[in-house]
Order: sequence, then C-alpha cells, then structure tokens
Amino acid sequence: DSGVTQTPKHLITATGQRVTLRCSPRSGDLSVYWYQQSLDQGLQFLIQYYNGEERAKGNILERFSAQQFPDLHSELNLSSLELGDSALYFCASSVGLGGPPYNEQFFGPGTRLTVL
Amino acid sequence: KNEVEQSPQNLTAQEGEFITINCSYSVGISALHWLQQHPGGGIVSLFMLSSGKKKHGRLIATINIQEKHSSLHITASHPRDSAVYICAASNTGNQFYFGTGTSLTVIP
Repeated sequence: DSGVTQTPKHLITATGQRVTLRCSPRSGDLSVYWYQQSLDQGLQFLIQYYNGEERAKGNILERFSAQQFPDLHSELNLSSLELGDSALYFCASSVGLGGPPYNEQFFGPGTRLTVL
Repeated sequence: KNEVEQSPQNLTAQEGEFITINCSYSVGISALHWLQQHPGGGIVSLFMLSSGKKKHGRLIATINIQEKHSSLHITASHPRDSAVYICAASNTGNQFYFGTGTSLTVIP
C-alpha cells in the first residue's frame, strides 16, 4: 500500500459525459501527478501540482482539467468524453519538487475509466 | 521518435536467470525512474537515480549519463518478478517521459 488513494476504482460512462477522479496523496506529500495509461499509447504524463499550484503540464487535452485543494487532495476533471478517453488514470504523489529524493513518486491504485 | 526507448519489448526467462532491460533517452534529465507494473495494474517505483548505480535486493539499476543509457538488472529471477517494467525520464521542469515498457515473464 503506497498511501495514495484514488476514487473511484472503476467508472463506466457514456460519450459526451463529464467525470471527476479524485486522488489523496500520502500524508506529508505536497506534490501530485496525474497520468493516463491507454492500451495504444502507454503511460503519459498529464499534469503536476505542488502545494495547490500547477507546476508542470504534459499531454493534457483541453477537455481535461485538474486542481489541487488546500487539503492537498487533487481532482482530475474529464469532460466531453470520447471513446478514446477510456484508460487507466493514475495519480502519484511525492514529497516535493526537484531531483531525488524529493520527487520519488508513490502511485495510487488507479481509476479505470470506460467510455461507452 | 520517442524520448525514451526501451528494449526488449517482451522477455521470457527461466527461473534463476540473470535479466537485463535497457533504456535509452534523448532528453536532458534530472532523474531516471524504473517502475514495475503487475498484472493487476498497480505501479510501484523501483528506483530513481541520477548517477551511478543503485541496488535493492535482487534488483540493480545503473545509469550512464554520458551515453544517456540505463539498465535494470534482475539477478536470480523468480516467477514473482513477472511484470511490466517501465523506464521513465524526468527533467528539471518536472516533465515525465515514459518508455513503452518491457513485459517480463519468468517461467518456473
């Protein structure tokens, strides 16, 4: 158990809908990362937050947005869902920024999103 | 061309064999990460290194900064090592680039 929790575990929804994925980091970790893992594209970095502020952006679509709240939990919002958004979405947390060991990541169990 | 390339894509080994997975990267990095993903889907960070060599049990990770290359070695492999091993590079801007993974099967 990494100490990172994600809810829900599974989510099935229809095209065009909007969903929210939630992540609670390990106690004491200030940084949260979101990743998407699809069958055809592998793992992709989406976005990173540190202490409530966006710090790095990867291949995140405009239909997707995220935020980190004062209690440090984070939410990833996916809207106007398409079939291709079906994937595993992982959240990870780390103590802080910079190089090792501050950005050593601990992964949550993931949320499996199925868009029908 | 991907920023991180891994080889081989698939690997089958007999229990007890020495295993090597290779990773080459083309971006400037602050750290190189090795991740393990089990069939159930969970991901565990095995190593994070910026130079030299790290060892944890039967696993050893090395990195050559000049050659932009890292290797993950598993000594005395065991069926429980069967998993997908993923190499990832992170830069000073906290961007992460992932390899496509190496699927390892260790046969008893």
